[in-house]
Amino acid sequence: QKEVEQDPGPLSVPEGAIVSLNCTYSNSAFQYFMWYRQYSRKGPELLMYTYSSGNKEDGRFTAQVDKSSKYISLFIRDSQPSDSATYLCAMSVGAAGNKLTFGGGTRVLVKP
Amino acid sequence: EAQVTQNPRYLITVTGKKLTVTCSQNMNHEYMSWYRQDPGLGLRQIYYSMNVEVTDKGDVPEGYKVSRKEKRNFPLILESPSPNQTSLYFCASKRGQANYGYTFGSGTRLTVV
Repeated sequence: QKEVEQDPGPLSVPEGAIVSLNCTYSNSAFQYFMWYRQYSRKGPELLMYTYSSGNKEDGRFTAQVDKSSKYISLFIRDSQPSDSATYLCAMSVGAAGNKLTFGGGTRVLVKP
Repeated sequence: EAQVTQNPRYLITVTGKKLTVTCSQNMNHEYMSWYRQDPGLGLRQIYYSMNVEVTDKGDVPEGYKVSRKEKRNFPLILESPSPNQTSLYFCASKRGQANYGYTFGSGTRLTVV
């Protein structure tokens, strides 16, 4: 069983809809949670970074962490065709160092 | 422009023929790392380096070598490539210890036949 599970999609939504993405994980020691966006033929870029449980909002993006359920979510409001990409969750035990555990990524398609 | 540059972007090679994928960053970052990305498996770390001449294994180091002789460069070496090393490879760098700070290159798609 993988430590971090993520539905590969594709998730297809009409422009303007809310995109809802999630990851589940098995390691209760994870405390730091990240979401990356990866466009085709590009490397991942950091979207959101959160610590422990709770919500974090940045523009159209909201990240939620529920440590009791070992479940994290990313919501994209007012989705645009430019949001079409693969979204990867990643997590770590500590704040520092080199050990990140990634999910497999969810491909999102926002149709005009 | 601050960036991580990998070369080549695409490579097809034959089993057993040694190859090197280069990685260079212009941000004076101490930390550099190599990842491979396979469908459904996400990114898995191959090797990382905390500074010049300091390297350590990641989760999947078998079949790979790295060196860090200069701060800006971190080449990935496959001494005897095999088909199971067919993958998309990413180099990344970051300045400090914070684990969210990586800047990724655009990737190298390697096919070993």
